Amino acid sequence: EAGVVQSPRYKIIEKKQPVAFWCNPISGHNTLYWYRQNLGQGPELLIRYENEEAVDDSQLPKDRFSAERLKGVDSTLKIQPAELGDSAVYLCASSPGVETQYFGPGTRLLVL
Amino acid sequence: DQQVKQNSPSLSVQEGRISILNCDYTNSMFDYFLWYKKYPAEGPTFLISISSIKDKNEDGRFTVFLNKSAKHLSLHIVPSQPGDSAVYFCAASDQYQGAQKLVFGQGTRLTINP
Repeated sequence: EAGVVQSPRYKIIEKKQPVAFWCNPISGHNTLYWYRQNLGQGPELLIRYENEEAVDDSQLPKDRFSAERLKGVDSTLKIQPAELGDSAVYLCASSPGVETQYFGPGTRLLVL
Repeated sequence: DQQVKQNSPSLSVQEGRISILNCDYTNSMFDYFLWYKKYPAEGPTFLISISSIKDKNEDGRFTVFLNKSAKHLSLHIVPSQPGDSAVYFCAASDQYQGAQKLVFGQGTRLTINP
């Protein structure tokens, strides 16, 4: 069974530029999550989707961050414009239910 | 406000010995706890979980202990193997949310020395 796929794996941009991350969850998983992991910290939830609906986006900085999950499968997370403090690893995860989450390898973002 | 804390950033253990990783939480609403393991350049992978109706859960070499009164849990790995070298994250949630609303600790880097 294929795992959660994320691209790109690495991204270097200059501040004020836009950036987008893509996630393909495990087939059949209705729930999709986006996390941000800062250096030396654990993952922090940004947004959770149930199919196409964002059911928890309370931690998403909505002034610059946006996300979408069209057709309830793939998802895109966008930052516009990026700031220096956005440098982090962005993790996508999916789950079939409430038992556990399956994480992708993440996208490492460096904002210069 | 760090609701889940792993106070040891790193731990070094001899191969074959026991590894004990600790985690404390402050939110009394948490009643479901998980441990994840993370290798470099990979995402975290689920290791073991425990709900508050238990005080111990075992899976092979991995055992998680929960002390609700102290708001403390620990992960024991016996015997430790070189492949256990990774970063371990403790995560907490409530039974209603299950693993859908996780709060993670900062992680502990475990190194197993041959």
